[in-house]
Amino acid sequence: QMQLVQSGAEVKKTGSSVKVSCKASGYTFTYRYLHWVRQAPGQALEWMGWITPFNGNTNYAQKFQDRVTITRDRSMSTAYMELSSLRSEDTAMYYCAGAFDIWGQGTMVTVSS
Amino acid sequence: QSVLTQPPSASGTPGQRVTISCSGSSSNIGSNTVNWYQQLPGTAPKLLIYSNNQRPSGVPDRFSGSKSGTSASLAISGLQSEDEADYYCAAWDDSLNGRSWVFGGGTKLTVL
Repeated sequence: QMQLVQSGAEVKKTGSSVKVSCKASGYTFTYRYLHWVRQAPGQALEWMGWITPFNGNTNYAQKFQDRVTITRDRSMSTAYMELSSLRSEDTAMYYCAGAFDIWGQGTMVTVSS
Repeated sequence: QSVLTQPPSASGTPGQRVTISCSGSSSNIGSNTVNWYQQLPGTAPKLLIYSNNQRPSGVPDRFSGSKSGTSASLAISGLQSEDEADYYCAAWDDSLNGRSWVFGGGTKLTVL
């Protein structure tokens, strides 16, 4: 079946970076935009950006424009989201979503000093 | 502060019909379609409605969506206990501040 499997939970120090992976299976990776959405504890969903797996084009939310990088490896059917200059407010569950109808299980990122 | 406005909570008894509203502006709901997501406790969101009123395969027809102007609504008929979840609306936003997907603040549905 179609699924996205994300990498495991991360604990990071303030000011460092985190890179989360999202591996697709059960469908053609290049056929669906791949979005990244985060959710702070008890808070709403927040869109971070997308990548077009076919050609690698990206579009980032203005809020994250200078700190987020989304990439993909077509040979591995895997997308990556790297967030830099981490601060405590970045503590959240990070989800990848294929065309918003296939969601990963989420990756918890905890940022502390 | 979310770009799309939803009531923080809603409730109903089993069998009832409940509606959840989502208010936006001309740059998002007013000019683009709306999606709805269901998030059960401790799980990833699930696409419930896309393109205002379309249900993905497997979503019961108890769930329906509509849009008028800069607002949208999700209706759940024949409410069941397993419908207790958080519900989010979302739309593409073409504002001058930057084009992006925007979400509502979420509505927690309680089945009494």
